[in-house]
Amino acid sequence: DTAVSQTPKYLVTQMGNDKSIKCEQNLGHDTMYWYKQDSKKFLKIMFSYNNKELIINETVPNRFSPKSPDKAHLNLHINSLELGDSAVYFCASSQGTLASARETQYFGPGTRLLVL
Amino acid sequence: QKEVEQDPGPLSVPEGAIVSLNCTYSNSAFQYFMWYRQYSRKGPELLMYTYSSGNKEDGRFTAQVDKSSKYISLFIRDSQPSDSATYLCAMIKTGANNLFFGTGTRLTVIP
Repeated sequence: DTAVSQTPKYLVTQMGNDKSIKCEQNLGHDTMYWYKQDSKKFLKIMFSYNNKELIINETVPNRFSPKSPDKAHLNLHINSLELGDSAVYFCASSQGTLASARETQYFGPGTRLLVL
Repeated sequence: QKEVEQDPGPLSVPEGAIVSLNCTYSNSAFQYFMWYRQYSRKGPELLMYTYSSGNKEDGRFTAQVDKSSKYISLFIRDSQPSDSATYLCAMIKTGANNLFFGTGTRLTVIP
């Protein structure tokens, strides 16, 4: 009965490849997020969608493109993968936006990406 | 310089000890403060959420916020081996929609 799920859990790929990570939440939340956690455990926001609309787009290379087909899904596509993209990518969701109601974020288990 | 600073540790304590974890921040726009716990190879899970200066208690956990000093703390009483994890502080600025995280402190509670 996973609240926020991500696939795949592990992803090992070569430099230059294109890959996608999928996220689904069954909490009925309106807002979803992508975070990147580097090797030093630093967690940084990348994107956020509220009701399928992009509301946060931090300074992230254009090679990263989020897509939200519906409120329950937020996928992350990465083109031309680079060594520095190796990290753990976490999806999260919240009922509303953080600014509106001090909402709690629920995180998925993470996708460990290794670019060789 | 990061907006949220947190000592990465690692921190090792014996079972039953009181643990103190701390974060400092530089921007007074931060108004909402959280502590997350992250077990190895898992996503962060929310432990405590507070938005005012002072203390908030939940079982063995106490969150403390001092906005005048821009300093937040998490205290864990009677620490247990199951508390061994990385603890991340996180904050939200007024009107913003994203969390700013500290780098996390790795805690090990030794039986």
